[in-house]
Amino acid sequence: ETGVTQSPTHLIKTRGQQVTLRCSSQSGHNTVSWYQQALGQGPQFIFQYYREEENGRGNFPPRFSGLQFPNYSSELNVNALELDDSALYLCASSPPGQGAFGANVLTFGAGSRLTVL
Amino acid sequence: AQSVTQLGSHVSVSEGALVLLRCNYSSSVPPYLFWYVQYPNQGLQLLLKYTSAATLVKGINGFEAEFKKSETSFHLTKPSAHMSDAAEYFCAVRGLVDNQFYFGTGTSLTVIP
Repeated sequence: ETGVTQSPTHLIKTRGQQVTLRCSSQSGHNTVSWYQQALGQGPQFIFQYYREEENGRGNFPPRFSGLQFPNYSSELNVNALELDDSALYLCASSPPGQGAFGANVLTFGAGSRLTVL
Repeated sequence: AQSVTQLGSHVSVSEGALVLLRCNYSSSVPPYLFWYVQYPNQGLQLLLKYTSAATLVKGINGFEAEFKKSETSFHLTKPSAHMSDAAEYFCAVRGLVDNQFYFGTGTSLTVIP
């Protein structure tokens, strides 16, 4: 079975630009969540998608938005990039379980490292 | 919101020595608790999880953790460190109300040959 794949692996943007990060969930997983991991920090929950709808959100502003597609893949969009948005963005998928919130399993991708100049 | 605190951002042990990484959680009820490992330039990999079954949880690569409600702790141990254990370790809790995962700030483990 394939794991969680993310693209691109690295990218550089300038302040004010917009970025789209992509994630393909592990086979059989229907819940996708996104995390921001700043340098030297633990992952911070951004939001989660189930059945193509956002069903949980962390303390991130509206310029962080996302999508989930019928094949359970997902996108993270960040508008009006700021220097503090520089981080590793991790996507994680979960198999069905506990209703809309997925089972107690997170399978992570290797991440997309975003640098904002 | 629930949270976890990892004591010690850096831990160094000699190869073959005991590994002890500390994690305390804040919760009024026993939560779901996890330990993840992150190798350089990789995502997080689940080591083990506690979901209110046995309090001593065994994971991969010889790691185990014990849930102690009285101490609100979930420390990670391994009897004998191996060079390949050098990595960043994260403790995490899953909130019972919001179902979100909350991660600690991580502990970087160095293994000295």
